[in-house]
Amino acid sequence: DTAVSQTPKYLVTQMGNDKSIKCEQNLGHDTMYWYKQDSKKFLKIMFSYNNKELIINETVPNRFSPKSPDKAHLNLHINSLELGDSAVYFCASSKRGAPGTEGNTIYFGEGSWLTVV
Amino acid sequence: AQSVSQHNHHVILSEAASLELGCNYSYGGTVNLFWYVQYPGQHLQLLLKYFSGDPLVKGIKGFEAEFIKSKFSFNLRKPSVQWSDTAEYFCAASPRAGTASKLTFGTGTRLQVTL
Repeated sequence: DTAVSQTPKYLVTQMGNDKSIKCEQNLGHDTMYWYKQDSKKFLKIMFSYNNKELIINETVPNRFSPKSPDKAHLNLHINSLELGDSAVYFCASSKRGAPGTEGNTIYFGEGSWLTVV
Repeated sequence: AQSVSQHNHHVILSEAASLELGCNYSYGGTVNLFWYVQYPGQHLQLLLKYFSGDPLVKGIKGFEAEFIKSKFSFNLRKPSVQWSDTAEYFCAASPRAGTASKLTFGTGTRLQVTL
């Protein structure tokens, strides 16, 4: 069973379209994340949710909107896609633990390869 | 601000060679340290992690890393690499007093193992 699963794995779309990437985790974790990996493989956090509440929102265009219907799901909706949005988007999750414990380990999904043409 | 540096961007080794990938972090307090691996076309997988205790940490697939506090380093090692170790390797750090949300990644090291 996949612990953190994302769909779709590959997505090719035209500029200006709106698209969503779905993420689900079956680890019972309280915290979920979206990371973006650019063409140079640099990984940067975009959002973090804890029990459906937004706790981190890095400098991301407001065309990106995360939605968490429950603590096992964190979807990413992107409006008006631009060429620069082409990247791999990783969903991830972690327990809500005390610092220095298992709660500080993040587990990643398989990634969603988004190409905007 | 916290930062993680990986100075080797691309490493090419022959099979059976020994591996050491450098990782240095910059942070004023104590940190948790991680190495993740990303095989071609796949997601990130946790190789090993250090929270406290023995500074020599053993992970999966024969990898190990050593935390040297005085050097702010957490280098990854493997005595004998295999072709299947070809991948991108990421070092990451989070403040001990913080949450996983503040996990900062290095820019990655691409390891290419030749036959």
